[in-house]
Amino acid sequence: AQKITQTQPGMFVQEKEAVTLDCTYDTSDPSYGLFWYKQPSSGEMIFLIYQGSYDQQNATEGRYSLNFQKARKSANLVISASQLGDSAMYFCAMRGRNTGTASKLTFGTGTRLQVTL
Amino acid sequence: GAGVSQTPSNKVTEKGKYVELRCDPISGHTALYWYRQSLGQGPEFLIYFQGTGAADDSGLPNDRFFAVRPEGSVSTLKIQRTERGDSAVYLCASRRIYGYTFGSGTRLTVV
Repeated sequence: AQKITQTQPGMFVQEKEAVTLDCTYDTSDPSYGLFWYKQPSSGEMIFLIYQGSYDQQNATEGRYSLNFQKARKSANLVISASQLGDSAMYFCAMRGRNTGTASKLTFGTGTRLQVTL
Repeated sequence: GAGVSQTPSNKVTEKGKYVELRCDPISGHTALYWYRQSLGQGPEFLIYFQGTGAADDSGLPNDRFFAVRPEGSVSTLKIQRTERGDSAVYLCASRRIYGYTFGSGTRLTVV
């Protein structure tokens, strides 16, 4: 079974500062993918960044970077230069490679980020 | 269309009634997923279609829930004898290769 744990129900960050959202995972699949999604109040899940378990380098997408520590089974999201529009729920998710886990994303419970002036 | 479209955006129904939720995926996306998101939780997997067939329905909570995708594009999630515990946001996503694209969801409220 796959499990994603997000231990921060809520986070505050000042505008223009960087913030790290924590994510740990558990899986028995030898190969897997890790995702971060943003969910604003409108409800749509917006893809932010992807990290494959065998990728040699940490993923980066603009102001988003993923701090992947495989041995610790952590995949923390770092948002640099926070903006007011970054205020939203953030979900970490995983997809495996084996039958039964390859077809679907398993999500964590999310972290609500609030960016303040 | 450009994105995944879900209708209706909101649905209020009485306990015991039947409801249908529709998902129109991105054209050409063969994989389609349904998720349920309860208040304060992350989305939970319900069912996955590859083409017209349900490749994995292990997340459907009971036999009151059923989904179809008869022509490999639009999908309908059907809930019979709705219960108050079915109240949630139902999300649909489609995928071509790697990237999942989600719709804005249908907020179902059972009163």
